Amino acid sequence: DVKVTQSSRYLVKRTGEKVFLECVQDMDHENMFWYRQDPGLGLRLIYFSYDVKMKEKGDIPEGYSVSREKKERFSLILESASTNQTSMYLCASSGGSRGNSPLHFGNGTRLTVT
Amino acid sequence: GQNIDQPTEMTATEGAIVQINCTYQTSGFNGLFWYQQHAGEAPTFLSYNVLDGLEEKGRFSSFLSRSKGYSYLLLKELQMKDSASYLCAVRDNTGGFKTIFGAGTRLFVKA
Repeated sequence: DVKVTQSSRYLVKRTGEKVFLECVQDMDHENMFWYRQDPGLGLRLIYFSYDVKMKEKGDIPEGYSVSREKKERFSLILESASTNQTSMYLCASSGGSRGNSPLHFGNGTRLTVT
Repeated sequence: GQNIDQPTEMTATEGAIVQINCTYQTSGFNGLFWYQQHAGEAPTFLSYNVLDGLEEKGRFSSFLSRSKGYSYLLLKELQMKDSASYLCAVRDNTGGFKTIFGAGTRLFVKA
């Protein structure tokens, strides 16, 4: 069974802090994704990666960066947290070279920026 | 760009059938997914369509028309546990399988 693990379930940070959200998957998947989920807006793609050290911007990359130094780990970085980044953050992975591989999600990190 | 539309909320009765529609516009298409998400939990995969037609999987079926940019998820013999959000997602054909989601449809199943 695919397991995607996010390091924290709940996180409270102050405005201006640098925040790291970590995600690890154990199925040797090539593709990894970071989304944020807000009521009424659904899941919005922040960044994704299809290989080690490779990254692509999603629809809302502003204020975020990512790091993928190892295949199993994909980190989301908030360089200077702001209150409008309060949200649920979901990491996902998918494998293979075929388009029918579904996303496997972690349990999410609820981030509150005060 | 990509745009995915689905109804915000639906209500149905236990034992009935409900159809959740999804329309999409995309610059490149590599399949359409449906996910289920219970409150406070992560989304889980339900179905995948890449060719036109109906895919059936137990009580759930999903239909795709690529020419119309249209899909629906059909849930039969509704159960209370089917109360959840249903997310329509489109994958494009860029490297890395970028996947974009609609805002989701909250389904309430009443007794």
